[in-house]
Amino acid sequence: NAGVTQTPKFRILKIGQSMTLQCAQDMNHNYMYWYRQDPGMGLKLIYYSVGAGITDKGEVPNGYNVSRSTTEDFPLRLELAAPSQTSVYFCASSYGPTGENIQYFGAGTRLSVL
Amino acid sequence: AQSVTQPDIHITVSEGASLELRCNYSYGATPYLFWYVQSPGQGLQLLLKYLSGDTLVQGIKGFEAEFKRSQSSFNLRKPSVHWSDAAEYFCAVGLTDSWGKFQFGAGTQVVVTP
Repeated sequence: NAGVTQTPKFRILKIGQSMTLQCAQDMNHNYMYWYRQDPGMGLKLIYYSVGAGITDKGEVPNGYNVSRSTTEDFPLRLELAAPSQTSVYFCASSYGPTGENIQYFGAGTRLSVL
Repeated sequence: AQSVTQPDIHITVSEGASLELRCNYSYGATPYLFWYVQSPGQGLQLLLKYLSGDTLVQGIKGFEAEFKRSQSSFNLRKPSVHWSDAAEYFCAVGLTDSWGKFQFGAGTQVVVTP
């Protein structure tokens, strides 16, 4: 049972480079989320999706883009990497609305922008 | 504005001793409440949740939490800590007036000494 799978686990980028963080879930969840985790700050919601083709901004969307062409996949795109995007990124999914449904998390992607 | 506060950034506890982690929230209505644990290099795992009903909630790994409406608190407890409980613990609030607004506290790092 894979759950939520994130790739890559680690990545170093140079300022201005682009990359896509991959996220896939095999639980047939409609709801998917991207968070970033900075030390002492907890998790901040970047983008979320309520189903294929439907996405919306979270708390800290600037500098990121997402797409959701299938139920399973929810990639996060960084177009012009900046040092402020150095963080640990977590993808999560849930069966229903977050308020009362459990979120399942991937193991995270640790990104450094130098 | 809604907020989740974990007053203790870091706690050190001896193996076999009891543990209590504090969580306070600020929200106009009763939210859904969660505790997650993050082991080093791992994603977040749900320990327990409160949606309604009995205010004392049992979770996995021997943890329990008590919702106190009058104090806007949802403190996590464990009677006897094991070395494997060393991790970071996050309190989270799912807002009942929005499908997916979900706020995390900044986390409490727990260190277990022999």
